[in-house]
Amino acid sequence: SYVLTQPPSVSVAPGKTARITCGGNNIGSKSVHWYQQKPGQAPVLVIYYDSDRPSGIPERFSGSNSGNTATLTISRVEAGDEADYYCQVWDSSSDHPGVFGTGTKVTVL
Amino acid sequence: EVQLVESGGGLVQPGGSLRLSCAASGFTFSSYWMSWVRQAPGKGLEWVANIKQDGSEKYYVDSVKGRFTISRDNAKNSLYLQMNSLRAEDTAVYYCARALVVVVAATGWFDPWGQGTLVTVSS
Repeated sequence: SYVLTQPPSVSVAPGKTARITCGGNNIGSKSVHWYQQKPGQAPVLVIYYDSDRPSGIPERFSGSNSGNTATLTISRVEAGDEADYYCQVWDSSSDHPGVFGTGTKVTVL
Repeated sequence: EVQLVESGGGLVQPGGSLRLSCAASGFTFSSYWMSWVRQAPGKGLEWVANIKQDGSEKYYVDSVKGRFTISRDNAKNSLYLQMNSLRAEDTAVYYCARALVVVVAATGWFDPWGQGTLVTVSS
């Protein structure tokens, strides 16, 4: 089955830029979606179709996808951005299409 | 407002059964794929199962095949997960999520999610 690999943790100072990577074999040929999960809460979609933002998600959140790596970028990081972030693809060639990345804990210093 | 509310979690012994329910509101339930996603304590997200709008297609992660059954009742705007032969490794928070599947683009994502219901398998 398809595997998505993320770094376990990323640390960033307030006001700086955080970049969270999601690696997968030729992931650039797939659409990647990203979720934010704060402690004790359900995940929230923050990026879909590689770079589209749902309504209500700040413009500070952006995404890109090419080759073997997709990236979620959080600009002008705020304390409230501290959370776990997961990438996800839909493996339509498989009979178990839902695939999540391993997750990245973003810590705001 | 689109809302998903899970129920039915609890403590169950290994080998036991449990049925989770998810009540949907604020959208046309019968028009969407629906999914269950779980998260073991301190671990990441794991997709569990999907069901098509009319229930004609169902997909499961390998670890639950033959033990779990996803179903839906469009008249009641409800999603279910029947869990049999439960194991300690099934202990997790189970989330119900609406799946936005775009067939022509061969992609799909989950939005929104319910608040989750905790299933604990222990003797």
